[in-house]
Amino acid sequence: QKEVEQNSGPLSVPEGAIASLNCTYSDRGSQSFFWYRQYSGKSPELIMSIYSNGDKEDGRFTAQLNKASQYVSLLIRDSQPSDSATYLCAVPEINFGNEKLTFGTGTRLTIIP
Amino acid sequence: EPEVTQTPSHQVTQMGQEVILRCVPISNHLYFYWYRQILGQKVEFLVSFYNNEISEKSEIFDDQFSVERPDGSNFTLKIRSTKLEDSAMYFCATTGGRNSPLHFGNGTRLTVT
Repeated sequence: QKEVEQNSGPLSVPEGAIASLNCTYSDRGSQSFFWYRQYSGKSPELIMSIYSNGDKEDGRFTAQLNKASQYVSLLIRDSQPSDSATYLCAVPEINFGNEKLTFGTGTRLTIIP
Repeated sequence: EPEVTQTPSHQVTQMGQEVILRCVPISNHLYFYWYRQILGQKVEFLVSFYNNEISEKSEIFDDQFSVERPDGSNFTLKIRSTKLEDSAMYFCATTGGRNSPLHFGNGTRLTVT
């Protein structure tokens, strides 16, 4: 059974600071990793995907992947109140492309003005 | 930006009734999925659909559930004889390729009373 683990939080970060969200996964063969943002009562919204070891930056967001440690993280720089949401880590099952995602429980992030 | 459209946004039904949840995929997308999220829990994969047939389903997706794309446009999830525990947000997701990220619709909140 594939596992995706996240600290459920809540994680509180002052506005303007860096928020760091972490995710570990159990399947060593996993190749693709996604971060989704979910506002309360809304659908998951893709914010980052990462496939290779190292860092990937997109605006204020940076995804970091370490396959040896089976660890993927998301950094949010210059945090804004609008970043307050639950952040979901998702990992596809091997041999299913990206269609059968296993989601973590999500980390609830609150940005404090 | 193209969107995945789901209707209705909220469906209330009595236990034992049948419901049909509808999804209009992004026009050039070929792979369709249903996920669900019970309140406060993880987003869970239900079923994937490609080329007019189910390609993968989870253990949740039992004989109570069915999917179809009757008119080449709408992608539907039918739940027969609903149970209280079927109450959840149901998300349709689509993608243009198996290795492309999923795009989620806004979801249908199903409440079974």
